[in-house]
Amino acid sequence: QKEVEQNSGPLSVPEGAIASLNCTYSDRGSQSFFWYRQYSGKSPELIMFIYSNGDKEDGRFTAQLNKASQYVSLLIRDSQPSDSATYLCAVKSSGDKLTFGTGTRLAVRP
Amino acid sequence: DTGVSQNPRHKITKRGQNVTFRCDPISEHNRLYWYRQTLGQGPEFLTYFQNEAQLEKSRLLSDRFSAERPKGSFSTLEIQRTEQGDSAMYLCASSLENYQPQHFGDGTRLSIL
Repeated sequence: QKEVEQNSGPLSVPEGAIASLNCTYSDRGSQSFFWYRQYSGKSPELIMFIYSNGDKEDGRFTAQLNKASQYVSLLIRDSQPSDSATYLCAVKSSGDKLTFGTGTRLAVRP
Repeated sequence: DTGVSQNPRHKITKRGQNVTFRCDPISEHNRLYWYRQTLGQGPEFLTYFQNEAQLEKSRLLSDRFSAERPKGSFSTLEIQRTEQGDSAMYLCASSLENYQPQHFGDGTRLSIL
């Protein structure tokens, strides 16, 4: 079982729709959770982070965390073509290193 | 806040050669991390520093890899006797302290001929 699992996609949504990206993790002791956006050939860019159960909103982005289900998600409202990228879920368990999923590719259709 | 800076952006070398990469973290960030990313995969942790102390090194990291952060500011990652499998994007990140978000540089893309 992979430590952090994501559906590789591609997830295709029309412009203006809500994109829902999901991630599960195996270590129940995980403390903090991060979403990064990565455009092709570029480095990861931090989008959201969440430490407590529940929802955290920032503009068009909402991160959701459910530690009991070991599940974290990212919602993107009013999706734009510029949101088309790979979204990486990262989890911090013991120590200070991030463990990443393989990423979900999002395609927003104009 | 100028962001994490990495040099060079691209490195092409022949198998068996040594290469060194440099990372300058965000000013005042005392934690610095190295990751490696291959096509279609998420970044994989290599090592990290708090100031000049190297606190953790991945068990997957062979002895050919070494990293330093001599004055607690910039860091270097050296790969000795490069192999084809070392071809990847090498990413550096920094954070202000533990449990704070890590911010990545643009990476160094290594190609082994």
